[in-house]
Amino acid sequence: AQSVAQPEDQVNVAEGNPLTVKCTYSVSGNPYLFWYVQYPNRGLQFLLKYITGDNLVKGSYGFEAEFNKSQTSFHLKKPSALVSDSALYFCAVRDIGDYKLSFGAGTTVTVRA
Amino acid sequence: DAGVTQSPTHLIKTRGQQVTLRCSPKSGHDTVSWYQQALGQGPQFIFQYYEEEERQRGNFPDRFSGHQFPNYSSELNVNALLLGDSALYLCASSQGTLTNEQFFGPGTRLTVL
Repeated sequence: AQSVAQPEDQVNVAEGNPLTVKCTYSVSGNPYLFWYVQYPNRGLQFLLKYITGDNLVKGSYGFEAEFNKSQTSFHLKKPSALVSDSALYFCAVRDIGDYKLSFGAGTTVTVRA
Repeated sequence: DAGVTQSPTHLIKTRGQQVTLRCSPKSGHDTVSWYQQALGQGPQFIFQYYEEEERQRGNFPDRFSGHQFPNYSSELNVNALLLGDSALYLCASSQGTLTNEQFFGPGTRLTVL
């Protein structure tokens, strides 16, 4: 069975500071990993994915994520946060051969001016 | 290019009633997945449709059923509604292989009274 854990319900940072949102996963095989962002009353927007290859993945809006197989982690990062990055962030995993996405509970990011 | 569209936006039903939600996938996408997102939680996979067949199902009762049409659009039907079915229902579309990301619609907010 596949699962995702986002250990922090909330992350608060000042604008211009680095932002990190943590994610760990559990799968039986090699994972496909995704990050999505959700703004109030909106659907989920795709940010980035890891399928294979380079452990550092770059995505939309200046976000990047680092895949760490030994720690089964896929943390989302942004070097300099903006107030507009304030939203709900979801990590998701798909096990090879599985069609469903399993999501974490989400992390609310608040960036203060 | 229109993204994933869902209708209706909001819906209010009473216990025991039946509801049908609709989804049109992003242009070029042939696969539709449905998710239930309860308040304060991550999306939970209901099922996925491909080539008009249910390809995979999550841990949802048979009261939840679906359909995919030849134009790839899809419906989610829920019978004998319970209070616990109140949630945001998200449709996601994708194309081709398992490595492709899913694109989400804005969702349908279902309230069961």
